[in-house]
Parts: sequence; structure tokens; C-alpha cells
Amino acid sequence: QSPLTQPASVSGSPGQSITISCTGTTDEVGTYDLVSWYQQHPGRAPQLVIFDVGKRPSGVSSRFSGSKTGNTASLTISRLQADDDGDSYYCCSYTHSRILVFGGGTKVTVL
Amino acid sequence: QVRLEESGPALVKPSQTLSLTCTVHGGTMNYGQYYWGWIRQYPGKGLEWIGNIYYSGRTFYNPSLARRVSLSVGTSYRQFSLRLTSVTAADTGVYFCARVIWSGSPHSFDLWGQGTMVAVSS
Repeated sequence: QSPLTQPASVSGSPGQSITISCTGTTDEVGTYDLVSWYQQHPGRAPQLVIFDVGKRPSGVSSRFSGSKTGNTASLTISRLQADDDGDSYYCCSYTHSRILVFGGGTKVTVL
Repeated sequence: QVRLEESGPALVKPSQTLSLTCTVHGGTMNYGQYYWGWIRQYPGKGLEWIGNIYYSGRTFYNPSLARRVSLSVGTSYRQFSLRLTSVTAADTGVYFCARVIWSGSPHSFDLWGQGTMVAVSS
């Protein structure tokens, strides 16, 4: 069982927005603004899309945005595209034990 | 453009030691404020952080693996390595090396290698 809880799957129609949640505790998500999100295409390495809760690395689409409320971080993907179908997203947080923990991953389905 | 590349055996026998190396192409580990880390992914499943290392040799390990894992920095700061002892089938998976953003604490992986599949089997 992963330390951070994500829904196994999220779906949406083209053009819509979807939000993926990442729930932890005060040991990590609730205390540190060091939550990151990774996109993984099938068979490929993960890629960073959000760091420090809501910052986008250079070159990452503005369709990706991040936020946090309490012990839950969220990734929003706006203007959903057919190409987004099948991608998985993982959250990651720094913890009070000075280690890093991941969520179990969320697969996106475009209807 | 910095690029990371993992290398090592694809098959390891149970109870033996898994050894992987990550080569930093187009840069060195001692340039910029970065840690360097290893992450693994079980077949069809999620990600697990293994550990991070700074070019000076300072390390952080996942407590669940700490008794079996060690990271080290290679000569010229162009490689870093992972050693995982006493492997079992549960250590089978894809192993990624990555560059880790550090701002007081190492926390986000902004550059990844392509990953290398390691199977533990006799």
C-alpha cells in the first residue's frame, strides 16, 4: 500500500478538465510544500510536470496545474486531449523523516 | 543537454547483489544544486523511491531498503551507482536513475533515465 493515496483512475471527455487527488498526512503533504507530480506514458520513464505543489518546469504545458489543501494535493489537467488517454500520473512528497514517498498512481481515460 | 543512462545486468540470481550504474552525459554531478537518485517500478505498478546521493557522498535511503542498499559516486562525478544486496524476486522491476532538485531538501525528480529492467531469477 502506497503512503500517498490516489484514485486508481480518472476519466473525462475531450476539452474537459480533470483533477487527480493525492491524500497524505501531516507527516508529508500537510506540512511540506514539496509535492511533485509525474506523467508517465506507457513504457516510458516518468516526466516531472509539477513541483513545489504548483510550479511548472520549463517546457511543460500550461494545461497542468497543481494545488494543495490540508493533507491533499491535486493535479488538474485542463483541455483534455485524446493523446492524454492511457497516461498515468504519480504524486510524490517529501516527508518529516527526510525521505520521499509516492502515490500509487492514477490512470487517465479520455471518453 | 544533460542526459542520464542506466546500465547493468538484466538478470540477477536470488541472494546475489544487484549493481547498476547511472552515467551523466553532458554534465557532472557536482554542477548545480542537485542530488541524484534511484527509483524503481514494479511490473505494471507504482513507483518506489530507493535513495538519493549528493556529489559529496551524502546519502538518504528508503528505510524499507536501508539495510540492503548503498549508493556511491564514481570518479570524475560522471557516474553514480546502486548496490542492492540479498535480492529476491520482489526486487524485480524497472530501475530508474534521476536528477533531484534540492532546495534545502532533495525533493523532486526533474530529469530521468530511460530505465533498465532487472529480473531476479535463478
